[in-house]
Amino acid sequence: AQKVTQAQTEISVVEKEDVTLDCVYETRDTTYYLFWYKQPPSGELVFLIRRNSFDEQNEISGRYSWNFQKSTSSFNFTITASQVVDSAVYFCAPSEGNTPLVFGKGTRLSVIA
Amino acid sequence: DVKVTQSSRYLVKRTGEKVFLECVQDMDHENMFWYRQDPGLGLRLIYFSYDVKMKEKGDIPEGYSVSREKKERFSLILESASTSQTSMYLCASSGRHTHYEQYFGPGTRLTVT
Repeated sequence: AQKVTQAQTEISVVEKEDVTLDCVYETRDTTYYLFWYKQPPSGELVFLIRRNSFDEQNEISGRYSWNFQKSTSSFNFTITASQVVDSAVYFCAPSEGNTPLVFGKGTRLSVIA
Repeated sequence: DVKVTQSSRYLVKRTGEKVFLECVQDMDHENMFWYRQDPGLGLRLIYFSYDVKMKEKGDIPEGYSVSREKKERFSLILESASTSQTSMYLCASSGRHTHYEQYFGPGTRLTVT
């Protein structure tokens, strides 16, 4: 069965600092997907990224970047120059194709002005 | 844009009442999901459905049932609400043509008194 560990329960940073959110996953399949979602205080989960297990290239999107290390089963998320609007709970989730996402307990990020 | 809507944002019910939570998606997604979210526990899967009239138990189905009579609609039913079912309920949908990314509704915060 799939499993995900987000060891950081809460992180607090000062605005403009860089911050990395860790995600370690377990999956039986060799083909799988990895997702990150953001849940701002409003409550609605927002999709951020989907990564295919075949594609180990790191991805950058503006201030966001993702580091996928298949050898260590990690899919870490870095926010550069954090802003107050980045304050949210972030979830990492693996999926073996057309199966429900398995969510970790999330990391609550607080960015202080 | 994918739109997943839930019938109520906030709901207050009494112990023993039958409760219906409705979810509708407009992306012709095959899959629909119900999760509940509680502090410190992350998102836990209650039920999901891969097609009309199909349903699968998730991790915590006890005390819940579901109905999927039409492709776009997935209902969660609490046959006899209890205070332990006070929670945030999140509906999601996914489909092959959107790479199985799960899109979430805004959530229903249910309080059972």
